[in-house]
Amino acid sequence: KNEVEQSPQNLTAQEGEFITINCSYSVGISALHWLQQHPGGGIVSLFMLSSGKKKHGRLIATINIQEKHSSLHITASHPRDSAVYICAVVELQGAQKLVFGQGTRLTINP
Amino acid sequence: ETGVTQSPTHLIKTRGQQVTLRCSSQSGHNTVSWYQQALGQGPQFIFQYYREEENGRGNFPPRFSGLQFPNYSSELNVNALELDDSALYLCASSLAQNTEAFFGQGTRLTVV
Repeated sequence: KNEVEQSPQNLTAQEGEFITINCSYSVGISALHWLQQHPGGGIVSLFMLSSGKKKHGRLIATINIQEKHSSLHITASHPRDSAVYICAVVELQGAQKLVFGQGTRLTINP
Repeated sequence: ETGVTQSPTHLIKTRGQQVTLRCSSQSGHNTVSWYQQALGQGPQFIFQYYREEENGRGNFPPRFSGLQFPNYSSELNVNALELDDSALYLCASSLAQNTEAFFGQGTRLTVV
């Protein structure tokens, strides 16, 4: 079992829909990142959070440390939101490395 | 754009050869981590450098080695390339450990 699990693995929706991507983890963490990866490979950091909720534009990220769960929400989705969204955690033990989920491939159709 | 640059962007090598990938971290960032991302998978941690010292290593064989220079730029070296080394190699820099990471665009390595 992976230390970081995301669901769903693939998600297709229509423009304007509200999107939720979930992330569960099994290790103690100091922080959790939500990342966006477009075709071609470049990764962009969307959020880094260790508690509560953060909002940036149409994106909202929440984390529940007790339940070891985080969600990424996209409101009023748009085709340009189509990308792979990756959850990554910073483990409490050892080097401050990122442990990644397998990613959620999001496709927003016009 | 994050300010983290990687070179080259694409590379084709033959099995058994050696390769060096480079990463220029964002100004002032003293921590650099390298990740390998196979097709369709999430990135896997290779190693991290903090102030020129290796600060942790993932489950990769010794033929994967690295360096960090006084200006905090970094290199990833892979010897005796194997076909399974074909992947996207990502570099991420941060101001310090456990702060937000900024990623380069990656180097796509193909081993034939």
